[in-house]
Amino acid sequence: QQQVKQSPQSLIVQKGGISIINCAYENTAFDYFPWYQQFPGKGPALLIAIRPDVSEKKEGRFTISFNKSAKQFSLHIMDSQPGDSATYFCAASMGGGSQGNLIFGKGTKLSVKP
Amino acid sequence: DAGITQSPRHKVTETGTPVTLRCHQTENHRYMYWYRQDPGHGLRLIHYSYGVKDTDKGEVSDGYSVSRSKTEDFLLTLESATSSQTSVYFCAIRDLLRAQYFGPGTRLTVL
Repeated sequence: QQQVKQSPQSLIVQKGGISIINCAYENTAFDYFPWYQQFPGKGPALLIAIRPDVSEKKEGRFTISFNKSAKQFSLHIMDSQPGDSATYFCAASMGGGSQGNLIFGKGTKLSVKP
Repeated sequence: DAGITQSPRHKVTETGTPVTLRCHQTENHRYMYWYRQDPGHGLRLIHYSYGVKDTDKGEVSDGYSVSRSKTEDFLLTLESATSSQTSVYFCAIRDLLRAQYFGPGTRLTVL
């Protein structure tokens, strides 16, 4: 029940296309859903995050879509660029204290072809 | 950057030797974390701290210990390193909104 399942494991998209990465969770107490971007040799960097009071959040070319009833959330990268090639992690947490610790998906390696 | 540094950035050691990795923050956040990252396993939590001298185990804590004597420093110790502990180790801090920010990582090789 504490898991966050992320798919696909890897994704190849043409430049200019839309990249979509999906995550699903079981624990309805989760109330914070961030996405991280990681380039080779670097630490994960917080990209964008959403809380369940909204169904969508957009920052530039990156959009999180959240479906509370389906217990799913997804990252959409519009007009994907070769510089977006990285590994993306979704995560979830609930409440404060140790419950605020993040539960991570296993990651999606995105390759954007020129 | 979130004001997190890790040292050393790279280390090669031999099986059976003790190793200590250091995480330093300048943000004065209460929560600090140690993760390891291995291919196919994503990020796995080793230990975390919720204040000075307050620590707790994560999902892969066996073979690791931690200490936090000051708000800004969180140390991860491998008492007797094994080859299975070859990995990339990341420290993270958590702000009041629950966002976590990661350090640059330490690549550890145990021969």
